[in-house]
Amino acid sequence: GNSVTQMEGPVTLSEEAFLTINCTYTATGYPSLFWYVQYPGEGLQLLLKATKADDKGSNKGFEATYRKETTSFHLEKGSVQVSDSAVYFCALSYTTSGTYKYIFGTGTRLKVLA
Amino acid sequence: NAGVTQTPKFRILKIGQSMTLQCTQDMNHNYMYWYRQDPGMGLKLIYYSVGAGITDKGEVPNGYNVSRSTTEDFPLRLELAAPSQTSVYFCASSYSGQGAYEQFFGPGTRLTVL
Repeated sequence: GNSVTQMEGPVTLSEEAFLTINCTYTATGYPSLFWYVQYPGEGLQLLLKATKADDKGSNKGFEATYRKETTSFHLEKGSVQVSDSAVYFCALSYTTSGTYKYIFGTGTRLKVLA
Repeated sequence: NAGVTQTPKFRILKIGQSMTLQCTQDMNHNYMYWYRQDPGMGLKLIYYSVGAGITDKGEVPNGYNVSRSTTEDFPLRLELAAPSQTSVYFCASSYSGQGAYEQFFGPGTRLTVL
């Protein structure tokens, strides 16, 4: 079946360090891929998305490229800030029997130290 | 637009009590979802709805019930509260159609069952 696997956290980085959070997926067909962010005490919000192979999603300095050959959608940021401390969720959506389905990864907690 | 609103924000229940968590969206989205998030964990889908009058079970539906009489509202009912239902509950909505549609999340309801 379809699934999303993301790296275990927590990830602890110093301010201005480079960030990579790995996400791989298993899916038939052509799913859409997403990264969501959850700040403390809040609900999830969309960070970026990509709908087809080789698409690059970007927002707030974060980027992720839809790699079909490696079934990956890794999240990167060149220079993290303390305000990026949050939990990051990789997700995919697909259709089955005319219904849209969503699968979320387990989340990766990022802590950025000043 | 208010987006997705949830009430209450916090609630403490005694074992065996019942309550309804309210969720309303003003974006005319056809899909709505209920998730629970246990401390330090990812999201688990409880129930979802693809439109008014249509609901279906997610991965952890036991102990919960839902209804969808209007496009805007998707209440979640707990009939006999148990300590295992202590969690943060998130309602979300999305639009289905061509393309990749993100889920919009409410701020959550923090429920404690004692």
